[in-house]
Amino acid sequence: NAGVMQNPRHLVRRRGQEARLRCSPMKGHSHVYWYRQLPEEGLKFMVYLQKENIIDESGMPKERFSAEFPKEGPSILRIQQVVRGDSAAYFCASSPPVRTDMQYFGPGTRLTVT
Amino acid sequence: GESVGLHLPTLSVQEGDNSIINCAYSNSASDYFIWYKQESGKGPQFIIDIRSNMDKRQGQRVTVLLNKTVKHLSLQIAATQPGDSAVYFCAENNAGNMLTFGGGTRLMVKP
Repeated sequence: NAGVMQNPRHLVRRRGQEARLRCSPMKGHSHVYWYRQLPEEGLKFMVYLQKENIIDESGMPKERFSAEFPKEGPSILRIQQVVRGDSAAYFCASSPPVRTDMQYFGPGTRLTVT
Repeated sequence: GESVGLHLPTLSVQEGDNSIINCAYSNSASDYFIWYKQESGKGPQFIIDIRSNMDKRQGQRVTVLLNKTVKHLSLQIAATQPGDSAVYFCAENNAGNMLTFGGGTRLMVKP
């Protein structure tokens, strides 16, 4: 049973470009969470999604950031017009329907904005 | 300008000794707590969890203690090994779906 998969593992974007980060949850998991981690800091919650629904986006910046989890395919975190401050590690986690508090994390995508 | 994160507190222990990592949590309504281990360049890895109706839980070489009175959580690692070197985070869940992470402690194990 493969774990949570994220790609790309490393992403370099110039300021103003778009970044797309993908996350495939563990098999049988229908809940996906995105977190952001700055160097030497803990993870900060961004958004919680179920298939085709955004459940909680209280941690998402109001502009430029969006997330989706379509019926088919991976969850996507999209950052438009990236700025230097978006440079961070972005982690996706997934959980089974009956234990949404038990979240398993992927290896992360490290975004560098130049 | 460049943003600089806070330096993580570091715990340095000798191989074979016991390690104790502490965490203060913020929300008295939190009812579920998890310790994660994060190695360099990797995602957080689940270690052990505890619910608020318990004050102690043991796993293999690890024990978590919960003191709700002072909102304090600790992780004890017995017979620490070089492979335990990592950053350790506590996380709390307050009946929602969001985990709130603590600031982390870096554990360094000296051979």
